[in-house]
Amino acid sequence: GESVGLHLPTLSVQEGDNSIINCAYSNSASDYFIWYKQESGKGPQFIIDIRSNMDKRQGQRVTVLLNKTVKHLSLQIAATQPGDSAVYFCAEISHGDDKIIFGKGTRLHILP
Amino acid sequence: DGGITQSPKYLFRKEGQNVTLSCEQNLNHDAMYWYRQDPGQGLRLIYYSQIVNDFQKGDIAEGYSVSREKKESFPLTVTSAQKNPTAFYLCASSPVSGNYNSPLHFGNGTRLTVT
Repeated sequence: GESVGLHLPTLSVQEGDNSIINCAYSNSASDYFIWYKQESGKGPQFIIDIRSNMDKRQGQRVTVLLNKTVKHLSLQIAATQPGDSAVYFCAEISHGDDKIIFGKGTRLHILP
Repeated sequence: DGGITQSPKYLFRKEGQNVTLSCEQNLNHDAMYWYRQDPGQGLRLIYYSQIVNDFQKGDIAEGYSVSREKKESFPLTVTSAQKNPTAFYLCASSPVSGNYNSPLHFGNGTRLTVT
């Protein structure tokens, strides 16, 4: 079946460096994508979203890039801070199917 | 502050007992959802409700039941028929029922342990 996946289950980044978390999707009909951050013992928090008519969207310290040609989504976090430690997962939505699929998540570990 | 409140945070039950997880939202959202989260897996949809007094099964509804008597509340009952109930349960809501046009808002979850 169609699914959302992540390239790396764990990512370790030096504090102050930029982080890049990747997500691959296989449903070419997906037209809306969301990144969530989940801290230990808490529910997922919305970070940023992007629709398929865009290639890039920026927020505060975060940027999401969408490459529809290779069905790839990435989340870039600038100047990573200790508070960024969490699991990050992507979600893809196909409005045609009226379905949301969540990825398994990547754990971001910040090195001092 | 508006948000979704799940209670309790931790719940312990003996095998064979039914247990009800609470989810309340004051966001005035139409749609509410229950997901199950297991280690190494993406969120899986149990039940969802797009409007009061109506709900639909998700991908893993067996062994669960829900009700939606009020817009603000969407409790989930884990019955003794659920084969593997120990998990982290997440409730979510969204402003518009039907298509996913905006991100889901999540509660902070209830961790259920059944022994």
